Amino acid sequence: EMQLLESGGGLVQPGGSLRLSCAASGFTFRSYAMSWVRQAPGKGLEWVSGTSGSGDYTYYADSVKGRFTISRDNSKNTQYLQMNSLRAEDTAVYYCAKCPGGFPDWFDTWGQGTLVTVSS
Amino acid sequence: EIVMTQSPATLSVSPGERVTLSCRASQSISGNLAWYQQKPGQAPRVLIYGASTRATAIPARFSGSGSGTEFTLTISSLQSEDFAIYFCQQYNNWPPALTFGGGTKVEIK
Repeated sequence: EMQLLESGGGLVQPGGSLRLSCAASGFTFRSYAMSWVRQAPGKGLEWVSGTSGSGDYTYYADSVKGRFTISRDNSKNTQYLQMNSLRAEDTAVYYCAKCPGGFPDWFDTWGQGTLVTVSS
Repeated sequence: EIVMTQSPATLSVSPGERVTLSCRASQSISGNLAWYQQKPGQAPRVLIYGASTRATAIPARFSGSGSGTEFTLTISSLQSEDFAIYFCQQYNNWPPALTFGGGTKVEIK
């Protein structure tokens, strides 16, 4: 069974940093693109960032470009999201999501999410 | 950025009814569209990809259609477990700039 488990969420002050992790199991991690998708409280879904299966290619939404960095360690079956210069509007549940191919497109498996709260 | 617009925002339906949800893209996305279902406190799950292909283990009462800019998700006979929020998502751009619609909430009438 394919599983994704996020960790690293919490409360952080505006301007602060946080690193999210997503541990994958049940599939050949290096073969599939991965992404982060967030959902602000009571709002819709927003794609944040994605990476190719190899990790050589990374993609970002304009709203986080220059502040967030996605990466993956295929030897550990884990992807990461380094979030810097956090703002109140980054408050959301962050989902780790797997794509069915080597580059980000749609999402066939989701984690349970981790909550990030940016507040003073 | 490709903007995805879903309508209506909320739909009040009785169990057993046929439901049609709409999703419109601001420019043509061919058939590169997925539909997701999300229940309170849960992560989304994919229902449809490629505009009309049901994902694994999705019941046959769910069907998708459309291409270009106009898409539809149909639930042929709404079951109690289908009350949820439904999102569409396009994946047509290169490099990827994936976008979701705002969602349609299907609630009990």
